[in-house]
Amino acid sequence: DVKVTQSSRYLVKRTGEKVFLECVQDMDHENMFWYRQDPGLGLRLIYFSYDVKMKEKGDIPEGYSVSREKKERFSLILESASTNQTSMYLCVIGGPYEQYFGPGTRLTVT
Amino acid sequence: AQSVTQLGSHVSVSEGALVLLRCNYSSSVPPYLFWYVQYPNQGLQLLLKYTTGATLVKGINGFEAEFKKSETSFHLTKPSAHMSDAAEYFCAVIPYRGSQGNLIFGKGTKLSVKP
Repeated sequence: DVKVTQSSRYLVKRTGEKVFLECVQDMDHENMFWYRQDPGLGLRLIYFSYDVKMKEKGDIPEGYSVSREKKERFSLILESASTNQTSMYLCVIGGPYEQYFGPGTRLTVT
Repeated sequence: AQSVTQLGSHVSVSEGALVLLRCNYSSSVPPYLFWYVQYPNQGLQLLLKYTTGATLVKGINGFEAEFKKSETSFHLTKPSAHMSDAAEYFCAVIPYRGSQGNLIFGKGTKLSVKP
């Protein structure tokens, strides 16, 4: 069974803090994606990576950065958390034919 | 930019009635197409997908969808709604073959089923 794990299910942070969200996969897959899910907006792509040390901006990269030092791990970084980054964050791995979703991290920024 | 439009953020049907959830995409070439379902407080679950071949695709729980290239549509249907179908449904596309597989999602449609 494919396993996509995210470091936390729930996270509460203060405005201005630096926040790290981690995603780890056991599939040895090249492609990893970070989305955020907001009511009425669906899922929007923040960043993705198709290889170690490679990254591409998605549709809403502002306020975020990413790191992929090892193939199995893809980190999303909120450099200075703001209240409008309160959201559900989903890690997805896969390619055109198969996608696997992590359980999500519900981040609240106060 | 590629986009996915789901017509109707909320759809309400009676139990036993036809379910029709609409999805249109913008793409100049046939994309890969997906429908996902999300039950309250749960993650996304794949209902069905079209990648190639037969344009009528059958999925889980009695759902099916038809890819119509001329209409750039991939509408989701179920002949008879059940109370357990109440959930949010997302249409998604991978806009072109050869991409890394980044999904573009619609905004979702919440389906309510009345007894």
